[in-house]
Amino acid sequence: KAGVTQTPRYLIKTRGQQVTLSCSPISGHRSVSWYQQTPGQGLQFLFEYFSETQRNKGNFPGRFSGRQFSNSRSEMNVSTLELGDSALYLCASSVPGLNSPLHFGNGTRLTVT
Amino acid sequence: TQLLEQSPQFLSIQEGENLTVYCNSSSVFSSLQWYRQEPGEGPVLLVTVVTGGEVKKLKRLTFQFGDARKDSSLHITAAQPGDTGLYLCAGAGGNTGKLIFGQGTTLQVKP
Repeated sequence: KAGVTQTPRYLIKTRGQQVTLSCSPISGHRSVSWYQQTPGQGLQFLFEYFSETQRNKGNFPGRFSGRQFSNSRSEMNVSTLELGDSALYLCASSVPGLNSPLHFGNGTRLTVT
Repeated sequence: TQLLEQSPQFLSIQEGENLTVYCNSSSVFSSLQWYRQEPGEGPVLLVTVVTGGEVKKLKRLTFQFGDARKDSSLHITAAQPGDTGLYLCAGAGGNTGKLIFGQGTTLQVKP
């Protein structure tokens, strides 16, 4: 079974630009979560999608948005990029269930200059 | 706000030593998951503990869930350089409905 695929792996953008990151979950997984990882803050939850609906949202500004398509693939968008948005963005897929583990992709490393 | 505090944040030891990483919270979780993340990769699940007092072993790694389901520990016996990485604990089933991650413990095992 193919794992979670995130594209692109690396991205360099300048302040004020916008960016779209993509995530393809494991086949059969309908839940997709996004996390931001930085050395200072650790893994911070962005949002979770299930069957094209946002089910949960973290404490991030409205510049961070996402969506999920009917094939469970997901995208997240960050508009008006700030230097502080530089981070590793991780996507994870899972099956429904309270204790279901997350299967992470290898992330997209975003650098904002 | 639910928080999971991991300690220590950094650990640098020699090959063959033992170590314990702690994950503590004031909140009750339905389960605790432990992940390991290596540079350039996403976290990978090591184990899930569900029952209070539960102990699970994965080769030289021993995981324990506290009786009250508020804390967990990871003990590594005779650490190897291949154990190097970022260890993350994550609590599930809290009142937020999402998985809460600790800050992580960076382990370096020197040969």
